[in-house]
Amino acid sequence: AIRMTQSPSSLSASTGDRVTITCRASQGISSYLAWYQQKPGKAPKLLIYAASTLQSGVPSRFSGSGSGTDFTLTISCLQSEDFATYYCQQYYSYPPTFGQGTKLEIK
Amino acid sequence: QVQLVQSGAEVKKPGASVKVSCKASGYTFTGYYMHWVRQAPGQGLEWMGRINPNSGGTNYAQKFQGRVTMTRDTSISTAYMELSRLRSDDTAVYYCAREGPLAVAGSFDYWGQGTLVTVSS
Repeated sequence: AIRMTQSPSSLSASTGDRVTITCRASQGISSYLAWYQQKPGKAPKLLIYAASTLQSGVPSRFSGSGSGTDFTLTISCLQSEDFATYYCQQYYSYPPTFGQGTKLEIK
Repeated sequence: QVQLVQSGAEVKKPGASVKVSCKASGYTFTGYYMHWVRQAPGQGLEWMGRINPNSGGTNYAQKFQGRVTMTRDTSISTAYMELSRLRSDDTAVYYCAREGPLAVAGSFDYWGQGTLVTVSS
């Protein structure tokens, strides 16, 4: 199975900051990568698919980039509702696998 | 609007089985794969398998082979996930998640609210 590694595991930031989360795949996955946001007690929410395409309804302050093995999720101007845990997921090959998550906390 | 509504929380003893349901509405149930993903307390997301609601065909994660069974009832647009021989480390929230269409395929665009399964003697 392809291993997905996110960094950092946790991150403290302030409202208005720009933050970047990194996801690395153990082998090339082209652009078959998704990003999810999960808030406590809630199901994950799809933010980005195909590495850089914003899901309908997701604010434009979220962006994704990368291909091959290295990917990033950037939030350009943090809002209070963005403090959550973020997961990457590869769907290049079965089984689909997730990163371990990055918890974004308020500084 | 698309909705996935799961059955309620369960408490089971070790060795028992649990069956979780996921009722879909707002779209053509047979047109999209349904996946099951679980999350142990304080942990990350773990893919368990998927079912093609049209054919009933399934793919399971190797870890769950022999213990998990995914089925569906197209007459009521409901998918099911049954996990047998439960252990304490199966305690988790279990989610159903729809695989997206076309360009979104492979990612999960709609999720159920989750079902907490607690395994305890």
